[in-house]
Amino acid sequence: DGGITQSPKYLFRKEGQNVTLSCEQNLNHDAMYWYRQDPGQGLRLIYYSQIVNDFQKGDIAEGYSVSREKKESFPLTVTSAQKNPTAFYLCASTALQGGRYGYTFGSGTRLTVV
Amino acid sequence: GEDVEQSLFLSVREGDSSVINCTYTDSSSTYLYWYKQEPGAGLQLLTYIFSNMDMKQDQRLTVLLNKKDKHLSLRIADTQTGDSAIYFCAEVLGYIPTFGRGTSLIVHP
Repeated sequence: DGGITQSPKYLFRKEGQNVTLSCEQNLNHDAMYWYRQDPGQGLRLIYYSQIVNDFQKGDIAEGYSVSREKKESFPLTVTSAQKNPTAFYLCASTALQGGRYGYTFGSGTRLTVV
Repeated sequence: GEDVEQSLFLSVREGDSSVINCTYTDSSSTYLYWYKQEPGAGLQLLTYIFSNMDMKQDQRLTVLLNKKDKHLSLRIADTQTGDSAIYFCAEVLGYIPTFGRGTSLIVHP
């Protein structure tokens, strides 16, 4: 079955560490997105990519980095520069800028600073 | 700047109808979406409405669109405890899906 897979489901980071969240899709979607979700704040866009080897900053890109070397993969690195990384991270993808099929989401990664 | 606006909470009795409201920002939005999020999970597409429609019905779900007021609503008929979740409306600005803060629907017996 086609879908979008995020891993790991839970991730713990020590102060000063970089961590990478994985997002893989087998839907042949061109566009991929990373969102951060905090309680009561909805979804805030971190980075997005519309084609391989190209990506753009979203509203809260500081302290994060991404790469898009393959169409299927869009990993997110949370760097030590991100001072408050504890949150729920969601990856999404789409084929036709939404359309009637909308955006497909992964099941999320919960990152906690310890 | 303008945001997609939703009320944060809605509490209903099981069997009643629920109506979740949303105000979006771009009158030229082509597709508007409703998503559902259960605890600890990703977002699941419930339904969409195309901008040339005023209403769309899909089983227990009815979506109403008022383009003049940029207002979108989702009605859930015969609300069940399994409908308890957070509901997000979304519009697409440029190439970016933009979401409201979500409405937490609480269904009690």
